[in-house]
Amino acid sequence: KAGVTQTPRYLIKTRGQQVTLSCSPISGHRSVSWYQQTPGQGLQFLFEYFSETQRNKGNFPGRFSGRQFSNSRSEMNVSTLELGDSALYLCASSFLGATYEQYFGPGTRLTVT
Amino acid sequence: QQQVKQSPQSLIVQKGGIPIINCAYENTAFDYFPWYQQFPGKGPALLIAIRPDVSEKKEGRFTISFNKSAKQFSLHIMDSQPGDSATYFCAASKGGATNKLIFGTGTLLAVQP
Repeated sequence: KAGVTQTPRYLIKTRGQQVTLSCSPISGHRSVSWYQQTPGQGLQFLFEYFSETQRNKGNFPGRFSGRQFSNSRSEMNVSTLELGDSALYLCASSFLGATYEQYFGPGTRLTVT
Repeated sequence: QQQVKQSPQSLIVQKGGIPIINCAYENTAFDYFPWYQQFPGKGPALLIAIRPDVSEKKEGRFTISFNKSAKQFSLHIMDSQPGDSATYFCAASKGGATNKLIFGTGTLLAVQP
């Protein structure tokens, strides 16, 4: 099976702009979670989707939003970008059921200038 | 509030040594404890995971030891190789209606030849 794919892999944006990141889960996986990784804060949970519904949300401002489509693909959006939003954004997918195993994609490296 | 504490922050061992990375958690509702390995420029890769009903799990050269009463778990890498040099993260999840992972701060492991 193909792994989790994320596009784009690298992105440079300017403060105040908005950005949309995309994630395609492993075939058959219906749950998608997003995490932000920075050197200072480590890996932090952003939100989680299952069957197009947000099941859980982390402690991030409302500028961070996401959605999931009927084919389980997910997007996250960050509006009014700030310098502190520079990070590696990771998507993880899981089958959901008896196992909790989550598999991560390679991430999107976002740089805000 | 950091719910998963990981130590040490960095670790250097010689080839063939057995690095040990420790994690402690606070929330007794956690019931799933995975370890992830991350190489530079890559997303975290699931290595091995354990549930609280077992005290040890082994997969290849990787072993998790789990102490439920102490709320601690650790990763041992047997016969470590230079290719094991990476950052290792422990995590915890409550499972149930969420896949949200709470990550430790990571351990940078260097295995010298």
